[in-house]
Amino acid sequence: GQSLEQPSEVTAVEGAIVQINCTYQTSGFYGLSWYQQHDGGAPTFLSYNALDGLEETGRFSSFLSRSDSYGYLLLQELQMKDSASYFCAVSGNTPLVFGKGTRLSVIA
Amino acid sequence: NAGVTQTPKFQVLKTGQSMTLQCAQDMNHNSMYWYRQDPGMGLRLIYYSASEGTTDKGEVPNGYNVSRLNKREFSLRLESAAPSQTSVYFCASSTRTSGGLTDTQYFGPGTRLTVL
Repeated sequence: GQSLEQPSEVTAVEGAIVQINCTYQTSGFYGLSWYQQHDGGAPTFLSYNALDGLEETGRFSSFLSRSDSYGYLLLQELQMKDSASYFCAVSGNTPLVFGKGTRLSVIA
Repeated sequence: NAGVTQTPKFQVLKTGQSMTLQCAQDMNHNSMYWYRQDPGMGLRLIYYSASEGTTDKGEVPNGYNVSRLNKREFSLRLESAAPSQTSVYFCASSTRTSGGLTDTQYFGPGTRLTVL
């Protein structure tokens, strides 16, 4: 089977940097995705890592270590609008399996 | 491009009633999915369709049925609704490629269902 662990809540200050970790157990691993969901909204895709290393997209970066079954999402220059839930998800021999999400609160 | 659309946006049912949630995508994706989201539980896969004409059970299929009507449309049916099915339902479609080198899911706006 597949399972993912990520912190349930994180609080950070506006303008700061925050890292949301994700560890996973899976068979037939293809890649690790990150999705953002604002309250009342739908999940939206942020990033997908199939290979080890760091992928950068603007203020957001995502990292994967396949040997450690570990990844993280890094958010820089935090803004109030980044307050949302963030889900990691593993892609394997079956469709995406999502973690339970990390609720990020950005405070002034 | 509308992306993924879902109807209805809100629905209230009584226990035992039936209903169908509709989903359509205009991105020419092969794969489509139905999830439910409950507080603290993340997104749980109900059913998916890897291609037109095929459907498979996900993590929580009991009490649901699906139909992949054509490449664009994938519907979810509750035959006899129960209070435990009160949830937010999301449809998604995917660009998943062979070998998994890319896998991006696009979600519809969701249906908020309450079963009394």
